[in-house]
Amino acid sequence: QVQLQQSGAELVKPGTSVKLSCKASGYTFTSNHMNWIKQTTGQGLEWIGIINPGSGGTSYNVKFKGKATLTVDKSSSTAFMQLSSLTPEDSAVYYCARQGYTTDVMDAWGQGASVTVSS
Amino acid sequence: DIQMTQSPSSLSVSLGDNVTFTCEASENIYGFLAWYQQKLGKAPKLLIYGATNLEDGVPTRFSGSGSWTNYSLTISSLEPEDIATYYCQNNHVYPLTFGSGTKLEIK
Repeated sequence: QVQLQQSGAELVKPGTSVKLSCKASGYTFTSNHMNWIKQTTGQGLEWIGIINPGSGGTSYNVKFKGKATLTVDKSSSTAFMQLSSLTPEDSAVYYCARQGYTTDVMDAWGQGASVTVSS
Repeated sequence: DIQMTQSPSSLSVSLGDNVTFTCEASENIYGFLAWYQQKLGKAPKLLIYGATNLEDGVPTRFSGSGSWTNYSLTISSLEPEDIATYYCQNNHVYPLTFGSGTKLEIK
């Protein structure tokens, strides 16, 4: 079955970067685009961007350009999101979510990774 | 960006109730509307796509309707496992945007 296994919780200092991973299994990794979503209590669910694992092509929410960088490693079927210049406002749960090939919606989600930015 | 407005923000319900909540897009999204269910501490789960299409494995008590800017999700005969927060999502144009959610609570 389709599974997206995300890396664990992170506690990081302001001004640093963090790289989250999302390992896919149960399907052909390059057949589906991968989304990243931020969830906070205050702002709800926010779409960060999407990557085509086959080509590496990306599309970002303007709000997260310069903050998030999406990449993949096809050899390990893993998607990555690097968040840079972290501030307390980046504290959130981050999800990866597969884009359905025919439905074009987020049909499988990782379990989420909590990022806490604190000195 | 397309704004998605959900109402109500919370709803107090009884098991067995028929429940409907709504989602309004700030512009026409041509039926490119998905609904997700999120239980406490878990990731969202896809319920409906294309405004009316039930995702595989989702119980048939869930149904979606709507067009243009106005959409709704109905749960017929609420079950205990349906207690969750429900989000709508525009997947017509980037940036993809979500509503703020409707939280179901037991009376």
